[in-house]
Amino acid sequence: GAGVSQSPRYKVTKRGQDVALRCDPISGHVSLYWYRQALGQGPEFLTYFNYEAQQDKSGLPNDRFSAERPEGSISTLTIQRTEQRDSAMYRCASSLAPATIVRGTSTDTQYFGPGTRLTVL
Amino acid sequence: KNQVEQSPQSLIILEGKNCTLQCNYTVSPFSNLRWYKQDTGRGPVSLTIMTFSENTKSNGRYTATLDADTKQSSLHITASQLSDSASYICVVSNNNDMRFGAGTRLTVKP
Repeated sequence: GAGVSQSPRYKVTKRGQDVALRCDPISGHVSLYWYRQALGQGPEFLTYFNYEAQQDKSGLPNDRFSAERPEGSISTLTIQRTEQRDSAMYRCASSLAPATIVRGTSTDTQYFGPGTRLTVL
Repeated sequence: KNQVEQSPQSLIILEGKNCTLQCNYTVSPFSNLRWYKQDTGRGPVSLTIMTFSENTKSNGRYTATLDADTKQSSLHITASQLSDSASYICVVSNNNDMRFGAGTRLTVKP
């Protein structure tokens, strides 16, 4: 069956531009998570949603980062006025059950998408 | 300071051999511990998830153990295959967030 998909797979942009990264979770999955992974490092939690509600956004690095999931399915992570330090792999994950503890620490399995490689020149 | 330490950083073994990866943590309070496998260029894949009351869990040739008293976990891989070559990441959750280890890079050679 279809897994989590993300688009675009690769994005190169100039410093100062806005970018929007898309995540299509597995159909029917309630919770959706966003992570950022710099080269050679482990994933860094950014934010997550139960249905359309953003449960915790304290992991977002600053106010240039925002995420939405208006209909409880597809989610968009937007980075405004990109900076070179934003360059990383951005990964999305989804899980069937709602995460009941803040910052997505439920025991339900998370299924990850292939990620979007963002390069800011 | 990273509250999740994994060892070794990298490991090379021959196909068919067993190996054990370690994860020590200081995250408190403890909610659950996950092991992920991440192939190069791919997203992490969940192998096991354990809560406080579980001290061992298997997933095929992967067996994870958890000692919540000593705050140690291990991932044992039996009869390794070439496809086991990947990074293995330990993630420990408290009631507020998830802390990721740096991972162990496993290479299985024929």
